[in-house]
Amino acid sequence: AAGVIQSPRHLIKEKRETATLKCYPIPRHDTVYWYQQGPGQDPQFLISFYEKMQSDKGSIPDRFSAQQFSDYHSELNMSSLELGDSALYFCASSVGTGETFFGQGTRLTVV
Amino acid sequence: GESVGLHLPTLSVQEGDNSIINCAYSNSASDYFIWYKQESGKGPQFIIDIRSNMDKRQGQRVTVLLNKTVKHLSLQIAATQPGDSAVYFCAENIGQGSNYKLTFGKGTLLTVNP
Repeated sequence: AAGVIQSPRHLIKEKRETATLKCYPIPRHDTVYWYQQGPGQDPQFLISFYEKMQSDKGSIPDRFSAQQFSDYHSELNMSSLELGDSALYFCASSVGTGETFFGQGTRLTVV
Repeated sequence: GESVGLHLPTLSVQEGDNSIINCAYSNSASDYFIWYKQESGKGPQFIIDIRSNMDKRQGQRVTVLLNKTVKHLSLQIAATQPGDSAVYFCAENIGQGSNYKLTFGKGTLLTVNP
């Protein structure tokens, strides 16, 4: 069965650079979520989209933005990267309020 | 703010034993809870869920118990196997309409000794 696909799996950036993370949700899933997970931490909600419209926003820095495109894939854009942005970034998708499936994550390292 | 949290950060068990992982939540309006398993370097994987109109739900080798009176959730794993070693998170699905998100508690690291 198709799962949530994230790319890249690993990314190394320098401080003040920009990063773009991509997410391809499970086909026919109408909701996409982005989560950030620091080392030894629980995943923290960043932002979500329902039918390509932003539906909720969590603790997402102003330096970050996200969008969902007509083909339902989503991108998380991160600018002016800081060392503290180093984390695992997960994308997840669901059909409405049904079971949420997570991707394998992108490990971002800012040096 | 309201949150979901875990009592124990680590749990070490022998293979074949039963494991119990606990979780407390504070939002009394919560009506949907999920347990996730996260292996190193991987995304959270759905294990089992329960809605507030139930107090027990069973899956394959796993059981979730919900005590709404004390706002407590537990995950029981029967005959724990080395492959069960992972971090376990409870999560609360909060929202309204079409706008829901998961709020995770602190994880519990389960280590199964052969």
